[in-house]
Amino acid sequence: GAVVSQHPSRVICKSGTSVKIECRSLDFQATTMFWYRQFPKKSLMLMATSNEGSKATYEQGVEKDKFLINHASLTLSTLTVTSAHPEDSSFYICSARDRGRRGEKLFFGSGTQLSVL
Amino acid sequence: EDQVTQSPEALRLQEGESSSLNCSYTVSGLRGLFWYRQDPGKGPEFLFTLYSAGEEKEKERLKATLTKKESFLHITAPKPEDSATYLCAVQDDGSEKLVFGKGTKLTVNP
Repeated sequence: GAVVSQHPSRVICKSGTSVKIECRSLDFQATTMFWYRQFPKKSLMLMATSNEGSKATYEQGVEKDKFLINHASLTLSTLTVTSAHPEDSSFYICSARDRGRRGEKLFFGSGTQLSVL
Repeated sequence: EDQVTQSPEALRLQEGESSSLNCSYTVSGLRGLFWYRQDPGKGPEFLFTLYSAGEEKEKERLKATLTKKESFLHITAPKPEDSATYLCAVQDDGSEKLVFGKGTKLTVNP
């Protein structure tokens, strides 16, 4: 079964509203989680690295005030898209690193398709 | 800057027709090379991690190999359920980040 749970899987919202996406590691503790964005027929683009107990590290060109990341616990990270606009419509995917008994692997959530009208 | 190039962009095979997908990479120091499978509208599903040249890993009909410049994902006697986009990613030494290629969309016809 899934080891990283992400929801919602799909959200449609009006322009100007905020949307929160949750990412949970189900059976391991993740000190580091990652948020990606994916456009059709494009590779995954890393947006930010989320560190438990500290501020997220954003990639160049990603607006930290628009994409708020909170890593509240060792199993939960959230991405909030604030004042969403149509150009924010995309597929957002989280991932979490498990350095435990499975060896070092990076597991992904099932993704969230955001559509801003 | 780390770079990952996957080829071909798309591949159509008949069921049972074996083939290989290529992932060429450039890193200053390789910490790991990852293969994932992604179905439409879903997050990537982990397949393999390779750490050093010469390493090979297998899972069912899939076999991943690694050299100092590229990795191959060999698919033996594929089935229609193997149809998906296969993503390759590299992690540089001293970095937490994965850099992904654009993927190869594989279609296996019955």
